[in-house]
Amino acid sequence: AQSVTQLGSHVSVSEGALVLLRCNYSSSVPPYLFWYVQYPNQGLQLLLKYTTGATLVKGINGFEAEFKKSETSFHLTKPSAHMSDAAEYFCAVSGRSSASKIIFGSGTRLSIRP
Amino acid sequence: NAGVMQNPRHLVRRRGQEARLRCSPMKGHSHVYWYRQLPEEGLKFMVYLQKENIIDESGMPKERFSAEFPKEGPSILRIQQVVRGDSAAYFCASSPPLAGGTTETQYFGPGTRLLVL
Repeated sequence: AQSVTQLGSHVSVSEGALVLLRCNYSSSVPPYLFWYVQYPNQGLQLLLKYTTGATLVKGINGFEAEFKKSETSFHLTKPSAHMSDAAEYFCAVSGRSSASKIIFGSGTRLSIRP
Repeated sequence: NAGVMQNPRHLVRRRGQEARLRCSPMKGHSHVYWYRQLPEEGLKFMVYLQKENIIDESGMPKERFSAEFPKEGPSILRIQQVVRGDSAAYFCASSPPLAGGTTETQYFGPGTRLLVL
């Protein structure tokens, strides 16, 4: 069984400040891990994903995430927030077997203060 | 290459009516997934289909909901006798044919927002 916990349903940071969105997962098998972003009334866009190899994954829009197996975490970071980063962010996990379904966290709404 | 298409984008139904949601996967994609997002919640998996086959429907409600992905045409998610609790955003995702048995990236459509009055 797999699950995802996102700590903090709402995070607010100042423009230019560090963004840190927390995600912990539970998986009985080696996982694939994802971060998706959702802008209002739109679908989900893949920010980045971890499958194998390097544990620090770089994504689009300056975001990155680090897979830490010992902590079962996959936190999302960005060094300097931009106003356009305001959106809902979803951490997700899937298995590695053929076409596994994706299990999503409940989401974190990121607000950016001017 | 057009992305995943969903229509309608917004759908209003009265209780007891039927709702039909359509999803056209990306060109070359043969796998379709449906997810439901209730207000203020994350997405929940409903069903995974390949052409003419339901592979995993573990997330589908036992009654009133059905899905198909015919040989020709879009995938259809059908909700019969809708109730207010069905109000949600329904997202479709597609992925390409599998390579080496590994999970492929799922690409999401813009969603259909269903409102049941």
